[in-house]
Amino acid sequence: KAGVTQTPRYLIKTRGQQVTLSCSPISGHRSVSWYQQTPGQGLQFLFEYFSETQRNKGNFPGRFSGRQFSNSRSEMNVSTLELGDSALYLCASSLDQSNEKLFFGSGTQLSVL
Amino acid sequence: SQKIEQNSEALNIQEGKTATLTCNYTNYSPAYLQWYRQDPGRGPVFLLLIRENEKEKRKERLKVTFDTTLKQSLFHITASQPADSATYLCVAGSSASKIIFGSGTRLSIRP
Repeated sequence: KAGVTQTPRYLIKTRGQQVTLSCSPISGHRSVSWYQQTPGQGLQFLFEYFSETQRNKGNFPGRFSGRQFSNSRSEMNVSTLELGDSALYLCASSLDQSNEKLFFGSGTQLSVL
Repeated sequence: SQKIEQNSEALNIQEGKTATLTCNYTNYSPAYLQWYRQDPGRGPVFLLLIRENEKEKRKERLKVTFDTTLKQSLFHITASQPADSATYLCVAGSSASKIIFGSGTRLSIRP
């Protein structure tokens, strides 16, 4: 069974640009959540989707958005990038809404110059 | 506010000894606690989950406890090896709310 796949693995953007990150969950998993990880802040919850509906949202500005498709694949978008958005963005999938036993992808390392 | 605190940012242990990592929670009553391992540049990997009605759980050299009175979980690695060196994350969750991550403890096992 393939694990959680995140693309791209690395991304370099400049301030003001926008970016879209992709996440393919483990087959059969219907819940996908996104996290931002920086050395200073640790893992910060962005949002969570289940069956194409956003269930929870973290404390991030509206520039951060996401969606989930009918095949459970998910994308997150960051518009008007700022230097502080540089981080490792992690996606995790789980079987259901309980968030028990999350399976993480390797992440997308975003650098904003 | 709800908070998960992992007491040590870094822990250095001699190979063969038992490593003990601490996770405390405040203003929160988690239904379960999870522990993950994270290596540099990679996503966390699930290790163990313990529920509020369980006192202790074991998996090979790993043991986790959950004390609802002290509001604390302890994570033990016995007979530690250099390959156990990584960052360990404590995660609290309940059915009603989103999960909360601790900031992690970086464990180094020296030969």
